[in-house]
Amino acid sequence: DGGITQSPKYLFRKEGQNVTLSCEQNLNHDAMYWYRQDPGQGLRLIYYSQIVNDFQKGDIAEGYSVSREKKESFPLTVTSAQKNPTAFYLCASSRARTSETYEQYFGPGTRLTVT
Amino acid sequence: AQSVAQPEDQVNVAEGNPLTVKCTYSVSGNPYLFWYVQYPNRGLQFLLKYITGDNLVKGSYGFEAEFNKSQTSFHLKKPSALVSDSALYFCAVRSLTSGTYKYIFGTGTRLKVLA
Repeated sequence: DGGITQSPKYLFRKEGQNVTLSCEQNLNHDAMYWYRQDPGQGLRLIYYSQIVNDFQKGDIAEGYSVSREKKESFPLTVTSAQKNPTAFYLCASSRARTSETYEQYFGPGTRLTVT
Repeated sequence: AQSVAQPEDQVNVAEGNPLTVKCTYSVSGNPYLFWYVQYPNRGLQFLLKYITGDNLVKGSYGFEAEFNKSQTSFHLKKPSALVSDSALYFCAVRSLTSGTYKYIFGTGTRLKVLA
């Protein structure tokens, strides 16, 4: 799982509560990403950030929010507006020089269960 | 739209036999392709990537992948499967959108190697 940490590994919340998932990397990577994984659907991109203080919506951003105040940190907040938040959430990072193509490094994931 | 397809949900192979996990892609411009592996309740691990050059790319753990431009495929292969290769495999393509890069993943193929 490289130099990316996600905490906690398991998270349980009641419906209607906001919850923030932590993602920290010590790889000095510029780009960071949040994905949601559901059985049979692969990975779907929630948000991504190429540089500090800038981020873009991915394919399923509704009900989620992020911040990128520091290069090494990219927390994801799952809000009460997210209709079906129970899923496995993966954070990733990569270098971001446009002249090169870099692979992503993934954290171990956080399994969120909302009841 | 750029996309990746993994046509098989599951592949079963006997230990010691060669394995192939299929991936096809649709991109505009040059394809930048990746394979990742995921073990249960873990993040994804990078296996290999194709950027340019030789059509046969070698990666981690004895895996290789064959890029075929005419068939728009990037199949993952291994000459002799191990039980420990049993895992979920993802193919991905890098996509350029509005000046930023993101990665599009297939739905995953579960590989089961039988002893």
